[in-house]
Amino acid sequence: EAGVVQSPRYKIIEKKQPVAFWCNPISGHNTLYWYRQNLGQGPELLIRYENEEAVDDSQLPKDRFSAERLKGVDSTLKIQPAELGDSAVYLCASSFTGGGDNEQFFGPGTRLTVL
Amino acid sequence: DQQVKQNSPSLSVQEGRISILNCDYTNSMFDYFLWYKKYPAEGPTFLISISSIKDKNEDGRFTVFLNKSAKHLSLHIVPSQPGDSAVYFCAATVNYGGATNKLIFGTGTLLAVQP
Repeated sequence: EAGVVQSPRYKIIEKKQPVAFWCNPISGHNTLYWYRQNLGQGPELLIRYENEEAVDDSQLPKDRFSAERLKGVDSTLKIQPAELGDSAVYLCASSFTGGGDNEQFFGPGTRLTVL
Repeated sequence: DQQVKQNSPSLSVQEGRISILNCDYTNSMFDYFLWYKKYPAEGPTFLISISSIKDKNEDGRFTVFLNKSAKHLSLHIVPSQPGDSAVYFCAATVNYGGATNKLIFGTGTLLAVQP
C-alpha cells in the first residue's frame, strides 16, 4: 500500500514569491493534516480536513497561507507571499477517523527554504 | 506554552543496553499519547501509543509507561539496536470517542545507539 505522497521534496524560493505544496493521502483516509516543523521543534498543526471540510484551521496564518482539499482526496497548501520565517519542513499526514485509534501517517515532507 | 516537553535533546546508549526516553505534559485533558520515530529526510513514523486508562503498553522491544499523576510518560527500548538511532517525538491528544484529532508534539530526542 502506498504511503502519503508529497511533492516537491525540496523547494528554494526568494522571499515574496508564491509557493505551493501538494499531498496525496493514503487511499481511504478521510482525514488530512498539514503540519509545519521548524528546525529543532516538533511538528505543529496548520490545518485539518475531514473529507473536504477544514475542521481546524486555527493555526493557519490566513493572511498568506491557504489550503484546499477538493473532492476530499489530495490537498494543496499555498503560501503567498513567502517570508523568511516560512522556511521549514511542511508535513502532510492522513488518518482514518472512526477507526478507533489516533495514528496519523506522515509523508516525507517538503523542505522549504526562503532566501 | 509548551504542552508536551522532552527535556533531553539527545541520548547516547550502547548497543544491547536499555534506552529510556522521557516526556512530560501539562494539559490534564490529554488522554492518548503516541511516540513517533523520525529518520533524516523522512516523515515521522508511528511507533507505539498508550491510552490514559492504561499505565503500560508493550510491543516487542518497545514499552511505553504512563504516570498520570506525574503527567509523565517514558519509552523504553530493550535491547537497543543501531537501527534505532533516530529522533523520537512524544505526542499527545484528546481522544474524542475514537476520532483522530490534533496531535501536540514535543521537541524530540535524538537517540544515538553506539555499536
